Amino acid sequence: QVQLVQSGAEVKKPGASVKVSCKASGYTFTSYDINWVRQATGQGLEWMGWMNPNSGNTGYAQKFQGRVTMTRNTSISTAYMELSSLRSEDTAVYYCARGSYGDDYWGQGTLVTVSS
Amino acid sequence: EIVLTQSPGTLSLSPGERATLSCRASQSVSSSYLAWYQQKPGQAPRLLIYGASSRATGIPDRFSGSGSGTDFTLTISRLEPEDFAVYYCQQYGSSPITFGGGTKVEIK
Repeated sequence: QVQLVQSGAEVKKPGASVKVSCKASGYTFTSYDINWVRQATGQGLEWMGWMNPNSGNTGYAQKFQGRVTMTRNTSISTAYMELSSLRSEDTAVYYCARGSYGDDYWGQGTLVTVSS
Repeated sequence: EIVLTQSPGTLSLSPGERATLSCRASQSVSSSYLAWYQQKPGQAPRLLIYGASSRATGIPDRFSGSGSGTDFTLTISRLEPEDFAVYYCQQYGSSPITFGGGTKVEIK
């Protein structure tokens, strides 16, 4: 069965970086885009960007340009999202999702807390 | 950027009732690339509908989607206890992908 399993919760200080992983199983990793979406507590969903695991091509939301980097390691079917220059407003649950017709499978989410 | 506006913000209904949720786009959504998600507290979103009207795998037929262009609707024909949740629409036809602000369906 298709699964996306994300890395565990992180606590970071302002100005630091965080790298969240998303390990895919149950399908051919290079056949579907990976989207990253975040959600602050009690708020809605915010799309951050996408990555094509086959080519490595990426596209980022303008809000995150220059601060986010999405990469992958195809040998272990894992996607990564790194966010730098963290601030308190980046405290949120970060999700990876398989991009198909809509995002049909989601990771369990990774809570990133930014606090001094 | 396509802005999606969902209404109402909250819908108070009883089990067995019909729920009608609206999603309006600021410009036409390409090829009806409009999806609906359900999210319960502490859980990841779950895809319900893609392509405006196609049910995702395993989604009960009480969920249906309709619409095109700028106006889309999610209908839950008869609410079950497990349907009380927050629902989001998403357009994935043009970049950036955008989500609506959500509609909370709560028990009356």
